[in-house]
Amino acid sequence: DAGITQSPRHKVTETGTPVTLRCHQTENHRYMYWYRQDPGHGLRLIHYSYGVKDTDKGEVSDGYSVSRSKTEDFLLTLESATSSQTSVYFCASGTGDFNQPQHFGDGTRLSIL
Amino acid sequence: GQNIDQPTEMTATEGAIVQINCTYQTSGFNGLFWYQQHAGEAPTFLSYNVLDGLEEKGRFSSFLSRSKGYSYLLLKELQMKDSASYLCAEFKGFKTIFGAGTRLFVKA
Repeated sequence: DAGITQSPRHKVTETGTPVTLRCHQTENHRYMYWYRQDPGHGLRLIHYSYGVKDTDKGEVSDGYSVSRSKTEDFLLTLESATSSQTSVYFCASGTGDFNQPQHFGDGTRLSIL
Repeated sequence: GQNIDQPTEMTATEGAIVQINCTYQTSGFNGLFWYQQHAGEAPTFLSYNVLDGLEEKGRFSSFLSRSKGYSYLLLKELQMKDSASYLCAEFKGFKTIFGAGTRLFVKA
């Protein structure tokens, strides 16, 4: 399995506060992804990265920003958290090749009160 | 997920066979993945299809028809531990688009 870890695993915070979620992978994968998972919606792509300092938006990027300063690290930031961003967040990494699956971290359960 | 359809829930009996269907958009198709996700855990890779036909991996098999935009996951000899969500996902370039998942309940 790809070594991919997320931190924190759980977080409760208040509306309006900034939140940063961290993802670290040890597989030297070029591509990294942030998803959110909500009941009835499945996994939805927030942002992804195709290299150091190279990022792009996914389908639900509003209210989120990302940064990738090193191959192994991909940060997701909620600049001013809202209750609609309460969700489970998954990070994933992959080679980007068509026949190679993504490998997922264990997820971060984020609650915004 | 974007234009990926699969049933929301299914129930089957231990020892039986269950087929989970998935339809997707055929434009820009590059491959079809199936993932398993137990409650509270990360998705894990099950199978991949890029050509038409059946791919068998032990108790799990996955089928693809590119012309119909259709795939299914077949689980044989169901076990209680197979109770999980099964995610159909389409590979588009270097991105993967996921369906909402099918929750499978296996009963004794």
